[in-house]
Amino acid sequence: SQQGEEDPQALSIQEGENATMNCSYKTSINNLQWYRQNSGRGLVHLILIRSNEREKHSGRLRVTLDTSKKSSSLLITASRAADTASYFCATDPQGAQKLVFGQGTRLTINP
Amino acid sequence: GAVVSQHPSRVICKSGTSVKIECRSLDFQATTMFWYRQFPKQSLMLMATSNEGSKATYEQGVEKDKFLINHASLTLSTLTVTSAHPEDSSFYICSALQGTSTDTQYFGPGTRLTVL
Repeated sequence: SQQGEEDPQALSIQEGENATMNCSYKTSINNLQWYRQNSGRGLVHLILIRSNEREKHSGRLRVTLDTSKKSSSLLITASRAADTASYFCATDPQGAQKLVFGQGTRLTINP
Repeated sequence: GAVVSQHPSRVICKSGTSVKIECRSLDFQATTMFWYRQFPKQSLMLMATSNEGSKATYEQGVEKDKFLINHASLTLSTLTVTSAHPEDSSFYICSALQGTSTDTQYFGPGTRLTVL
């Protein structure tokens, strides 16, 4: 079953704008990961944030984690057309040794 | 980084036939591999956890007799879709754990199965 809910389900913005996607989950986790998937392709790992971390940066990506609210956000700054893809959060529930994916956000960057 | 391959990348078969998909960890040993299914415009749904040398653990609602998983070596897991039907058409993705933590889980590029 799905662990995470993501919102929005779809997001369309202009190139250069920032994109924010949110993920909520249900159980205690060890870590939370964000992935990108271009249409019909495999997953690309973007960033992992551990349960004891609150914020993490990687290039134009910024991820936050609020374990008290069981939520995470992914911010992509200065978006580019190449950022157009689906973005998924995945949680690693404690004791499960598996990843459970959220429903995903389809991001479209308009040139 | 670690590499996981899948073969074939795309397969078309007739209804009623069986299809085998391979998942290989190319530069590391993987005691545990996972199989996911993804329908168009949907998320990845975990089907089963494959452990080397033992029976796979299937998620609720996944028919183990229909989706046969074999993890005979530390670098290879196979998923066989038996008696495939059009509703089995989907994108199948595997992943492999390097070690025991999901921190080091690497995904294959996926296999597109189309059942006519």
